[in-house]
Amino acid sequence: DVKVTQSSRYLVKRTGEKVFLECVQDMDHENMFWYRQDPGLGLRLIYFSYDVKMKEKGDIPEGYSVSREKKERFSLILESASTNQTSMYLCASRGGGRDFYEQYFGPGTRLTVT
Amino acid sequence: AQSVSQHNHHVILSEAASLELGCNYSYGGTVNLFWYVQYPGQHLQLLLKYFSGDPLVKGIKGFEAEFIKSKFSFNLRKPSVQWSDTAEYFCAVNANTGRRALTFGSGTRLQVQP
Repeated sequence: DVKVTQSSRYLVKRTGEKVFLECVQDMDHENMFWYRQDPGLGLRLIYFSYDVKMKEKGDIPEGYSVSREKKERFSLILESASTNQTSMYLCASRGGGRDFYEQYFGPGTRLTVT
Repeated sequence: AQSVSQHNHHVILSEAASLELGCNYSYGGTVNLFWYVQYPGQHLQLLLKYFSGDPLVKGIKGFEAEFIKSKFSFNLRKPSVQWSDTAEYFCAVNANTGRRALTFGSGTRLQVQP
């Protein structure tokens, strides 16, 4: 089974802090994604990566950056956390071939910025 | 740009009632369609998917969905719901536009009363 893990289930940070959210997948997937989930808005794509050191902006990249130094690890960085970034953050990964579009999700990190 | 609409935001049913959750997408070309489910406190998991072929797709736990191309719809159905089906359900689409990520609807919260 594909396993996607996220470093924290719950995180509380102060406004202005730099925040790192880590995601690791164990299936050698090329593609990795960061979404945020908010009530009534569903999942919105922040960034994704299709290879090591390669990244593309999603639908709501403002205030975020990402890093992918190794294939299995994809980090989401909040350079200066703000209260409107309080949300549930979901990481996902996907391989190629027939399963090209099926995404596997991690358990999520609930971030609260005070 | 591809988009997904889920018109039912919150559905309350009694056990044994039939379920139908609506999902409409905006892209006119070839699409891959998914339903994901998120049980309380758990991560998102795939319920079923449509790539091609038979438009009636069967998934886990007795769920099915029908792809109707002329209506741009992919509605989720279950003939008899159980209390354990209480969860949030997300429809997602990936169109062959080069976008590597799924686009999600806003979700439908299903509450099944015993």
